[in-house]
Amino acid sequence: GAVVSQHPSRVICKSGTSVKIECRSLDFQATTMFWYRQFPKQSLMLMATSNEGSKATYEQGVEKDKFLINHASLTLSTLTVTSAHPEDSSFYICSARDDDRREFFGSGTRLTVV
Amino acid sequence: AQRVTQPEKLLSVFKGAPVELKCNYSYSGSPELFWYVQYSRQRLQLLLRHISRESIKGFTADLNKGETSFHLKKPFAQEEDSAMYYCALSGSGSRLTFGEGTQLTVNP
Repeated sequence: GAVVSQHPSRVICKSGTSVKIECRSLDFQATTMFWYRQFPKQSLMLMATSNEGSKATYEQGVEKDKFLINHASLTLSTLTVTSAHPEDSSFYICSARDDDRREFFGSGTRLTVV
Repeated sequence: AQRVTQPEKLLSVFKGAPVELKCNYSYSGSPELFWYVQYSRQRLQLLLRHISRESIKGFTADLNKGETSFHLKKPFAQEEDSAMYYCALSGSGSRLTFGEGTQLTVNP
């Protein structure tokens, strides 16, 4: 099946710094990718929809200036958490949609801001 | 607005017993429903979708528009079915809305 690679799997950063997370579709092209956030023992919450070649669509309550999304190619989307603070610590998951509208998920990134 | 409800956070059954994971949805249009599964220490993966009308790993799910439900069923549960199961809905906006998930434990 289709594979989505997400890196890094785990990152610790200092408060005030920025962190970039990459999401790649390895064997298919994805016009649309999604970024989710998952809190402990909770479901996935959609943060934004990333469309290749255009601006991302953010969900209500998600700060677009804090969570910068770039979808520069059909196989790569990046999420940059800018000026990270401890409250941004979370598990971030990306997914990529194929031509058959199936969504394939990355393995997630555990972000800890200290 | 679209909403997915999984009323059971935890479900425990014995091996060989039937299992049903409940999912109800709220959506004014024609939804597309999915079940995703997450095994321990693995990524979320698609189990099945209603438009395919398929059976994966012995699981089936039928979309009941009258009851707005998409329950996941398996006649004989196996220990390897123990996992977190998420019901999800995709509406006209194409985004997925997930339920809260049900942790299934199949006991030997």
